[in-house]
Amino acid sequence: DVKVTQSSRYLVKRTGEKVFLECVQDMDHENMFWYRQDPGLGLRLIYFSYDVKMKEKGDIPEGYSVSREKKERFSLILESASTNQTSMYLCASSLEGQQPQHFGDGTRLSIL
Amino acid sequence: GESVGLHLPTLSVQEGDNSIINCAYSNSASDYFIWYKQESGKGPQFIIDIRSNMDKRQGQRVTVLLNKTVKHLSLQIAATQPGDSAVYFCAENPGGYNKLIFGAGTRLAVHP
Repeated sequence: DVKVTQSSRYLVKRTGEKVFLECVQDMDHENMFWYRQDPGLGLRLIYFSYDVKMKEKGDIPEGYSVSREKKERFSLILESASTNQTSMYLCASSLEGQQPQHFGDGTRLSIL
Repeated sequence: GESVGLHLPTLSVQEGDNSIINCAYSNSASDYFIWYKQESGKGPQFIIDIRSNMDKRQGQRVTVLLNKTVKHLSLQIAATQPGDSAVYFCAENPGGYNKLIFGAGTRLAVHP
């Protein structure tokens, strides 16, 4: 089975802090994705990566950046956390082409 | 607790009945579709997928139907069990780097 592991289930940070969310997948997938999930808004794509050191903006990239230095790891960075970034963050990975994305269990991030 | 299910339409069924969850997709260019199940406190879990050259695909206790004419997708669950209680999302891929567009979700509540 595909395993996508997110480093923290719950995280509490303060406004203005730089926040790192880590995601690791063990299936040698080319594609990796970061989403946020909010009630009433569903899953929204923040950034994705189709190869090491490659990244593409999703639908809501503002206030975020990403890093993919190794194929198995995809990091989401909140440069200066704000309260409106309080959310559930989900990481996913997939093979290239039209293949299902496999998700981690999410990080619930609270910005105080 | 998990708040992703707030504000979602709810389908209530009796244990043992068949369930049908519907989804209208938005992009006529989409040619790959996926159904996900999300249980409380977990990430979305892949259930079944279908490509646009098919109109029906069956898995274990689940069937997905695709009607491209009216841009409609449905998930049928046979002999629904309490463990099927979750939020169900459809997703469409309009092409490109396997980016998915997610529906808002439907909560399935199974009653004994």
